[in-house]
Amino acid sequence: GEDVEQSLFLSVREGDSSVINCTYTDSSSTYLYWYKQEPGAGLQLLTYIFSNMDMKQDQRLTVLLNKKDKHLSLRIADTQTGDSAIYFCAEEGRSGTGGFKTIFGAGTRLFVKA
Amino acid sequence: GAVVSQHPSWVICKSGTSVKIECRSLDFQATTMFWYRQFPKQSLMLMATSNEGSKATYEQGVEKDKFLINHASLTLSTLTVTSAHPEDSSFYICSARGAANYGYTFGSGTRLTVV
Repeated sequence: GEDVEQSLFLSVREGDSSVINCTYTDSSSTYLYWYKQEPGAGLQLLTYIFSNMDMKQDQRLTVLLNKKDKHLSLRIADTQTGDSAIYFCAEEGRSGTGGFKTIFGAGTRLFVKA
Repeated sequence: GAVVSQHPSWVICKSGTSVKIECRSLDFQATTMFWYRQFPKQSLMLMATSNEGSKATYEQGVEKDKFLINHASLTLSTLTVTSAHPEDSSFYICSARGAANYGYTFGSGTRLTVV
């Protein structure tokens, strides 16, 4: 079945860049997403990339997609303490019933040291 | 932007009682809403997909008689945990697909504690 994997923990110093990696298995994915979850809160969509794109930049965020290797990464430039959160990678494809289905990774906990 | 309101944000209930969680799309119509459950330090597990005016589609292993989902309008879906047990204690999150053709808008989640 579909699977999304990502490392569970990343620690960086304030001001450095953070790179969170993710691999997925469903080659028919149409969209890939990065969500941010702060403690005790729901998920916030950070950015997304369509499967026919290689890169997308949005202010401090850069998403790289290697479709051949099914590898997705999120780079946060000039990481701040407010960026400390759990980051979820997710892929979206069609479900067996024809609707949309999103598979989430387990989340990477980013810890930013001042 | 699209906003999804979920409440209550937390609830404590006694074992054997039922709890209803509401999910509302405030400024858009959501023909499809999704209910997730999140265990500590784990990812989101999709429980069911709720389509307005029709029965919800449950994921394998999710008891439909225990987790009742109603999607009566384009802006409201409810999840009722019936005869709750301590093992149902978890963080429940709803999401809705908005008008834009990407992403989902998530509610802020409901932490359910069954004692």
